[in-house]
Amino acid sequence: EIVLTQSPGTLSLSPGERATLSCRASQSVINSYLAWYQQKPGQAPRLLIYGASSRATGIPDRFSGSGSGTDFTLTISRLEPEDSAVYYCQQYGSSPLFTFGPGTKVDIK
Amino acid sequence: QAQLQESGPGLVKPSQTLSLTCTVSGGSISSGGYYWSWIRQHPGKGLEWIGYMYYSGSSHYNPSLKSRVTISVDTSKNQFSLKLSSVTAADTAVYYCAHSSPDAFDIWGQGTVVTVSS
Repeated sequence: EIVLTQSPGTLSLSPGERATLSCRASQSVINSYLAWYQQKPGQAPRLLIYGASSRATGIPDRFSGSGSGTDFTLTISRLEPEDSAVYYCQQYGSSPLFTFGPGTKVDIK
Repeated sequence: QAQLQESGPGLVKPSQTLSLTCTVSGGSISSGGYYWSWIRQHPGKGLEWIGYMYYSGSSHYNPSLKSRVTISVDTSKNQFSLKLSSVTAADTAVYYCAHSSPDAFDIWGQGTVVTVSS
């Protein structure tokens, strides 16, 4: 079973700063099928990135994804107050078919 | 873009079967290449994929829940459903329906809270 680990658990930054979130898989992610989601309190998750580096429709270009194999990164280049949320990574293809990481909470000071 | 809406009882008794329905609007559940999933989130916790159904009827479940889960599709009503049997307090969660094509979930319902309690 593939396990996703995210770090750090919490990130506290100021508006305008750069956020770097890590997602590490216990085995190689098939075809870089790695996605990132943003979830705000009381809301469903929103897809940000799929295929490790492709932005979903309507996602600002300050969000970018990179990586391959077992190591992936979500970068928010210039934090805005509305970016305060929990961010999850998710893999597709290994058993179980879809697996999510435990999340990274981003606090904007 | 399609929209998804979950519906069903918010309270289920232990040992009974949890039943939820997801209604798809603004798109056809029969569109090829799309997969229709159920995902849950325990209170204050992360996300757990339960399983998916393809419009043709094929399905795939999380091995951890497979023995208790059935996902079915009703193309005439543009709906798909979740049944989770023999529930316990550990099944208390927010349940989401979602669409993927197939590797990422790009459309989500708003979620519905299900509490298992006598």
